[in-house]
Amino acid sequence: AQSVTQLGSHVSVSEGALVLLRCNYSSSVPPYLFWYVQYPNQGLQLLLKYTSAATLVKGINGFEAEFKKSETSFHLTKPSAHMSDAAEYFCAVTGGGAQKLVFGQGTRLTINP
Amino acid sequence: NAGVTQTPKFQVLKTGQSMTLQCAQDMNHEYMSWYRQDPGMGLRLIHYSVGAGITDQGEVPNGYNVSRSTTEDFPLRLLSAAPSQTSVYFCASKTAGDGNTIYFGEGSWLTVV
Repeated sequence: AQSVTQLGSHVSVSEGALVLLRCNYSSSVPPYLFWYVQYPNQGLQLLLKYTSAATLVKGINGFEAEFKKSETSFHLTKPSAHMSDAAEYFCAVTGGGAQKLVFGQGTRLTINP
Repeated sequence: NAGVTQTPKFQVLKTGQSMTLQCAQDMNHEYMSWYRQDPGMGLRLIHYSVGAGITDQGEVPNGYNVSRSTTEDFPLRLLSAAPSQTSVYFCASKTAGDGNTIYFGEGSWLTVV
């Protein structure tokens, strides 16, 4: 069985500040991990994914995430927030031959000018 | 590059009415699924299919039916709509050879009154 916990349903940062969105997972098999972004009234767009290659994964829009097996974490970061980063972010996990993608509850990111 | 196409984008139903949400993908993906998105709950899996003629229940299947007569299409049927089915519905597809990456449609906003 797999599960995802996103710490913090709302995160607010100032423009230019570091963005850190936290994700912890549980998986009985080696996981595949994903971060998706959703802008208002739109679908989900893949930001980045971890598939057992490099533990530091770079995605679109300057985001990256680091897979830490010892901490069962896959936190999303961006060095300098931009107003256009305001959106909802979802962490998700699947594993092995599993067909199901399990999502966290989402974190809404607000950027203050 | 159509990807995953969902129709309709917006729909208002009366309690007790039935309707079908259409989903089609042109990527020859064997796996397709339907999720619903509700505030604070992330995305929850309704039904999924691992190939034509094969379907299975997800986390919240009650009140929904699916079928998979072709690889391309995976319609979701609401048998007798209830206000609790007011939600945003996402169709998704993936193939095993793409690192388990799931591709989402644009979403269907359904309101049951």
